[in-house]
Amino acid sequence: LAKTTQPISMDSYEGQEVNITCSHNNIATNDYITWYQQFPSQGPRFIIQGYKTKVTNEVASLFIPADRKSSTLSLPRVSLSDTAVYYCLVGDKNTDKLIFGTGTRLQVFP
Amino acid sequence: NAGVTQTPKFQVLKTGQSMTLQCAQDMNHEYMSWYRQDPGMGLRLIHYSVGAGITDQGEVPNGYNVSRSTTEDFPLRLLSAAPSQTSVYFCASSYGGFSNQPQHFGDGTRLSIL
Repeated sequence: LAKTTQPISMDSYEGQEVNITCSHNNIATNDYITWYQQFPSQGPRFIIQGYKTKVTNEVASLFIPADRKSSTLSLPRVSLSDTAVYYCLVGDKNTDKLIFGTGTRLQVFP
Repeated sequence: NAGVTQTPKFQVLKTGQSMTLQCAQDMNHEYMSWYRQDPGMGLRLIHYSVGAGITDQGEVPNGYNVSRSTTEDFPLRLLSAAPSQTSVYFCASSYGGFSNQPQHFGDGTRLSIL
């Protein structure tokens, strides 16, 4: 299966903007790109989803270039409570299976 | 609404034992799935279902069975537990297709195989 890769970890300070990128070279043509947040001992929680260009909701923005081979989750003005692991989820065009990214551990410092 | 409920939360098994992990959702979602999460490997899809009576294999199906007799329930069976199946298991459901609808996850079952 094609890999969906993310940076292993990122550090930030409260109030800064954080951008996390996911590389998905083999994304299925009709599938959306979805991002999840996971805290320790909990299941992943939906953050945002998009197909192309830019999507924004009350907690994040998602930027998707025209070729859709990557996506960037943007968290504006992070707080300590944003410390978590972030995963992207895309469909693989060869297997038609959903593949989670490798996950990015975000640590926010005061 | 309780959302997605997984039981048990923790379980220890001996190699060769069988067990069923339970998953129930009260949102009337057609789509349900099982994932396992291992350190450093993210979440991997085991089996999924697009409706009652319909199941299919995911990325890592070997050693696991599923069935979907009702919309609400999607149990995962380990037929003969092996130490390699030590993991955290998550069940998820969604209203529509997995790729274009948010999935709702349970809080997981932590399974250790000795």
